[in-house]
Amino acid sequence: NAGVTQTPKFQVLKTGQSMTLQCAQDMNHEYMSWYRQDPGMGLRLIHYSVGAGITDQGEVPNGYNVSRSTTEDFPLRLLSAAPSQTSVYFCASSTDRGRFTGELFFGEGSRLTVL
Amino acid sequence: QKEVEQDPGPLSVPEGAIVSLNCTYSNSAFQYFMWYRQYSRKGPELLMYTYSSGNKEDGRFTAQVDKSSKYISLFIRDSQPSDSATYLCAMRLVQGAQKLVFGQGTRLTINP
Repeated sequence: NAGVTQTPKFQVLKTGQSMTLQCAQDMNHEYMSWYRQDPGMGLRLIHYSVGAGITDQGEVPNGYNVSRSTTEDFPLRLLSAAPSQTSVYFCASSTDRGRFTGELFFGEGSRLTVL
Repeated sequence: QKEVEQDPGPLSVPEGAIVSLNCTYSNSAFQYFMWYRQYSRKGPELLMYTYSSGNKEDGRFTAQVDKSSKYISLFIRDSQPSDSATYLCAMRLVQGAQKLVFGQGTRLTINP
């Protein structure tokens, strides 16, 4: 049982380049989300999805795009990378089924540096 | 002002000490309160959760919520070196299982 898998684990980009962070989950969770973690800022929600074909913006969506074509996958696209997007990105999934509906299951993170 | 405030530390204590971690929040509509633990270079994992006010105990860990003061705490008794991690408080409304608001995280080191 892999849980939430993120690729790549590390990436260095130049300003203006684009790239996609991949996220896949095998728990059949309906909710998926992307957070970024910066020193002193905690985890901030970028985008989230409540199901295939449905996405919405979180707290810090600018400069990022998402899509959800399947239940399993939720890629995050950086359109034109900026140094301010240097961060650690976490994908998470969750479900309304079960005893507690507030638990997020996180991947191990993708560390992105924009030069 | 952030919706959830947490002292980022770092906090360093000797093994066996009682640790107290705290968060304050401003949105009185929050109903679910959680503590996540994050080891270095890993994703956060849920440690404990509480619905509304009150206390919850799980082994050496106790979570407290005081909604009247908008204040939550996590206590760790008989702290162990394996407890060394970053602890993040998180909270959410009744609706919106996918949208948590996190504190900044407190980095904790337990010294043998």
